[in-house]
Amino acid sequence: DVKVTQSSRYLVKRTGEKVFLECVQDMDHENMFWYRQDPGLGLRLIYFSYDVKMKEKGDIPEGYSVSREKKERFSLILESASTNQTSMYLCASSYRGIRTEAFFGQGTRLTVV
Amino acid sequence: SQQGEEDPQALSIQEGENATMNCSYKTSINNLQWYRQNSGRGLVHLILIRSNEREKHSGRLRVTLDTSKKSSSLLITASRAADTASYFCATDANQAGTALIFGKGTTLSVSS
Repeated sequence: DVKVTQSSRYLVKRTGEKVFLECVQDMDHENMFWYRQDPGLGLRLIYFSYDVKMKEKGDIPEGYSVSREKKERFSLILESASTNQTSMYLCASSYRGIRTEAFFGQGTRLTVV
Repeated sequence: SQQGEEDPQALSIQEGENATMNCSYKTSINNLQWYRQNSGRGLVHLILIRSNEREKHSGRLRVTLDTSKKSSSLLITASRAADTASYFCATDANQAGTALIFGKGTTLSVSS
């Protein structure tokens, strides 16, 4: 079974902290994604990566950066956490191609205080 | 911007009834997918329909796609309490076909 693992299920950070959210997949998928999910807004794409060291901005990249040094790992970085980044963060991965499903991690609920 | 928009936002039905959710999208797509999310968890893939397909079945799920209207529907037949979840449609909107864009979802509540 495909497994996408996010490093934390729940996280509480202080305003201004640098926050790292880690995601690891074990299926050799080329594509990896970071979404945030907020009530009434659905899932919004922050960044995605289609290969090692490659990244593309999604709809809401401001305040975030990403790192993909190895194929299996995709990190989301909040450079200086703010309260409006309190949210559920979801990582996903998929094979490259136009007809492939995405596999999701369990999500990280981040609270910035 | 979000590509898919689900309708209705919320749906409450009794066990045994059918549930229909709709999705509309804006631009040309390669395929459309439906996902399910149990409360506070990650999303699970349900079904994928290609742009050249009109209907697809998987167990109690039936998906239709009308590319001329840029819309899709998900029908869950004989609903069970365990079907209670949020359902999202997703499309690959960009040219590379690698980034799935999700709608806001429909929250389905099935009572016994």
